Amino acid sequence: AQSVTQLDSHVSVSEGTPVLLRCNYSSSYSPSLFWYVQHPNKGLQLLLKYTSAATLVKGINGFEAEFKKSETSFHLTKPSAHMSDAAEYFCVVSRPTGFQKLVFGTGTRLLVSP
Amino acid sequence: NAGVTQTPKFQVLKTGQSMTLQCAQDMNHEYMSWYRQDPGMGLRLIHYSVGAGITDQGEVPNGYNVSRSTTEDFPLRLLSAAPSQTSVYFCASGLSRGGGTDTQYFGPGTRLTVL
Repeated sequence: AQSVTQLDSHVSVSEGTPVLLRCNYSSSYSPSLFWYVQHPNKGLQLLLKYTSAATLVKGINGFEAEFKKSETSFHLTKPSAHMSDAAEYFCVVSRPTGFQKLVFGTGTRLLVSP
Repeated sequence: NAGVTQTPKFQVLKTGQSMTLQCAQDMNHEYMSWYRQDPGMGLRLIHYSVGAGITDQGEVPNGYNVSRSTTEDFPLRLLSAAPSQTSVYFCASGLSRGGGTDTQYFGPGTRLTVL
């Protein structure tokens, strides 16, 4: 069985400061992990994905995440927040092979203040 | 490419009514799926399809039917709407039935209210 825990339901930062969104996973397999972003009243967009290659994954818009097997974590970071980063972020786990059934975390809402 | 399209964007139903949420993709993806999004619960898988003529249940299938007669379309039917089905529904598609590394592409969503 697979599951994802997003440790914060809301994160507030000031523009220009670092962003850290935390995600822990549980998986019987060596997982594939994803971060998706959802802007208000929009669909979900893939930010980045980990697929057992490099443990540090770079995504779009300056985001990156590091896979740490020993900590079962896949935290999302960005060095400097922008107002346009305000959105909801979902950490997602999937089996690495076979049928891909995504398991979503409950989401973290990122608030960015001027 | 239009990607994944969903209609309608908004819908209000009365309890007991039926309706179909439409989903189409023009990327020739084998895999399509339906999710519902409820506050504080992330997205949960309702039904999925790994190709035309093949469908299966996800985590929360009760009250919903699907069929996949073509590669492009994957409609979701609510048989007898209930207030518990008030939610935002997302359709997604992916390149292949296998491989957990495949990116899935999401539609813009349908916001459904059942009174």
